Amino acid sequence: EAGVAQSPRYKIIEKRQSVAFWCNPISGHATLYWYQQILGQGPKLLIQFQNNGVVDDSQLPKDRFSAERLKGVDSTLKIQPAKLEDSAVYLCASSSRYSDRKATGELFFGEGSRLTVL
Amino acid sequence: GDSVTQMEGPVTLSEEAFLTINCTYTATGYPSLFWYVQYPGEGLQLLLKATKADDKGSNKGFEATYRKETTSFHLEKGSVQVSDSAVYFCALTHGGYQKVTFGTGTKLQVIP
Repeated sequence: EAGVAQSPRYKIIEKRQSVAFWCNPISGHATLYWYQQILGQGPKLLIQFQNNGVVDDSQLPKDRFSAERLKGVDSTLKIQPAKLEDSAVYLCASSSRYSDRKATGELFFGEGSRLTVL
Repeated sequence: GDSVTQMEGPVTLSEEAFLTINCTYTATGYPSLFWYVQYPGEGLQLLLKATKADDKGSNKGFEATYRKETTSFHLEKGSVQVSDSAVYFCALTHGGYQKVTFGTGTKLQVIP
């Protein structure tokens, strides 16, 4: 079974530029998460999708961050314009539907996309 | 809201030493509790979990017991190896939509 795929692995941009990250979750997983992990800190949830609907985006800086999951499968996270403090690893994770008999509560993570803003 | 508090690192141990990483949580109701591990250069992966009070999760020699009375889920291993060097995250899942809250992580370094 293929894992969670993310791209690009690394990105370096200057402040005020834009960047986009892509995530393809494990096949059949209804829930998709985007986390921001700043060096030395734990992952912080940015947005959570259930299929193509948003469940929680309370910590997403909506003036500069946007995310979509149009067909309920893969997802894109965009930052425009980027700030220095956006330098972090952006983690995508997926999990099966809570009501699924096979649901375990486990999140499956991709390797992350490391963003450096200069 | 929900929160997870972990002991600060880094924790440096000699090989074969006993490991404890403390984790306490704040949440209403009955969350599920997890330990995730992040090896250098890799993504997070589940280490172990417990879904109800008094459950013990175990994997790869690591153990943690869900203690409702002390709201804790401390990670232990009797004899660590150099290959256990990683960052360990305590987390909880709560609610029908599986919102996951992570602690800040504890870096473990095991020296030969």
